Amino acid sequence: GDSVTQMEGPVTLSEEAFLTINCTYTATGYPSLFWYVQYPGEGLQLLLKATKADDKGSNKGFEATYRKETTSFHLEKGSVQVSDSAVYFCALKDSSYKLIFGSGTRLLVRP
Amino acid sequence: ETGVTQSPTHLIKTRGQQVTLRCSSQSGHNTVSWYQQALGQGPQFIFQYYREEENGRGNFPPRFSGLQFPNYSSELNVNALELDDSALYLCASSANGQGAKTGELFFGEGSRLTVL
Repeated sequence: GDSVTQMEGPVTLSEEAFLTINCTYTATGYPSLFWYVQYPGEGLQLLLKATKADDKGSNKGFEATYRKETTSFHLEKGSVQVSDSAVYFCALKDSSYKLIFGSGTRLLVRP
Repeated sequence: ETGVTQSPTHLIKTRGQQVTLRCSSQSGHNTVSWYQQALGQGPQFIFQYYREEENGRGNFPPRFSGLQFPNYSSELNVNALELDDSALYLCASSANGQGAKTGELFFGEGSRLTVL
């Protein structure tokens, strides 16, 4: 079945460092891809999405490009802030009702 | 705009008992989904309700059941609790079934269930 694999955390960075969180997927069709973020004490929030190959999703300085040839949707940010500390989930949605999530990557940004 | 609210936030049950978790969807949203998030794992889809009918279900046994009410709030019921049911249960809402099409869901903070 469809699945999502994310790099294990925690990822610890200094403020203003470059961030990459790797995400690869397995799907039989043409899924939509998402990054959700969970800040401490809050519910999951949609960060960005891409619905077809070569689409780039972006929000709050974060970007991810839907790469069909490498089945990847890596999350990047050029300069992280302490406030970006959270758990990041990569997810896909195929033609069914459900989202399929990766196991999450915890990001800790130090001042 | 009121977000998704869930209750209770934490609860402890013993094996074999039954539990009911509640969710109020975001204002204007008529579709509710439930997810189970085990410790250190990503959320797993349990089922979705749209206009008071279950219209999608994940790989969970029948002892996981739900309801949606005319005001679009929802309940998740779990019977005959097992130790492996210990998890964070997340409710998510969306408008007009769009979440099912777009994947854009609005999540509550969850109910953490511990089964002893």
